[in-house]
Amino acid sequence: DIVMTQSPDSLAVSLGERATINCKSSQSVLYNSNKKNYLAWYQQKPGQPPKLLIYWASTRESGVPDRFSGSGSGTDFTLTISSLQAEDVAVYYCQQYYSTPMYTFGQGTKLEIK
Amino acid sequence: QVQLQESGPGLVKPSETLSLTCTVSGYSISSGYYWGWVRQPPGKVLEWIGSIFHNGITYYNPSLRSRAIISVDTSKNQLSLNLISVTAADTAVYYCARPDGGSFQYWGQGTLVTVSA
Repeated sequence: DIVMTQSPDSLAVSLGERATINCKSSQSVLYNSNKKNYLAWYQQKPGQPPKLLIYWASTRESGVPDRFSGSGSGTDFTLTISSLQAEDVAVYYCQQYYSTPMYTFGQGTKLEIK
Repeated sequence: QVQLQESGPGLVKPSETLSLTCTVSGYSISSGYYWGWVRQPPGKVLEWIGSIFHNGITYYNPSLRSRAIISVDTSKNQLSLNLISVTAADTAVYYCARPDGGSFQYWGQGTLVTVSA
């Protein structure tokens, strides 16, 4: 199984400041044949299902604000919120789909306002 | 617009079988794609349960030790989850979801299932 480990577990950032969440996979999720990283990021607010933010490690889903960006390759990935807004308070998860159709999620990072 | 809606009992007794249905609208299951179930115990992390292809081929999370059974009914455009021999540890919000290229673009709203006597 590919294990996904996020850091930190929780994070408090001031409004307008940058938030950075890390995700590390236990093995590479980069397919050499197409040079794509099989890594997605989700945002989950209380009482709601997860919402897809980023796929292929860095492609924003349609409608996702451009303050959200994803980066990284191989085993180390980052979700960055460039200027934190109040509505960004949520839990964020990374997910690998390198082993599709078997998937694993990270343990989540809780983002709060400082 | 693809929409998914879970339904089923909200309370199941220990050792019994949890049975959920996901009704899909806006897309025909028989047209393709994998369809999956994901669960989230209260206050805890997301756990992929299993996936089924439109032709019935299934894949399961090994951690569930063969307790999960996923099926599709293309005539009703539904997928189902049966989880046998449940315990309190199976208490969770259960989501059906459709991965698109691997990332889960579409999710149901989820249904809370509590395992308790």
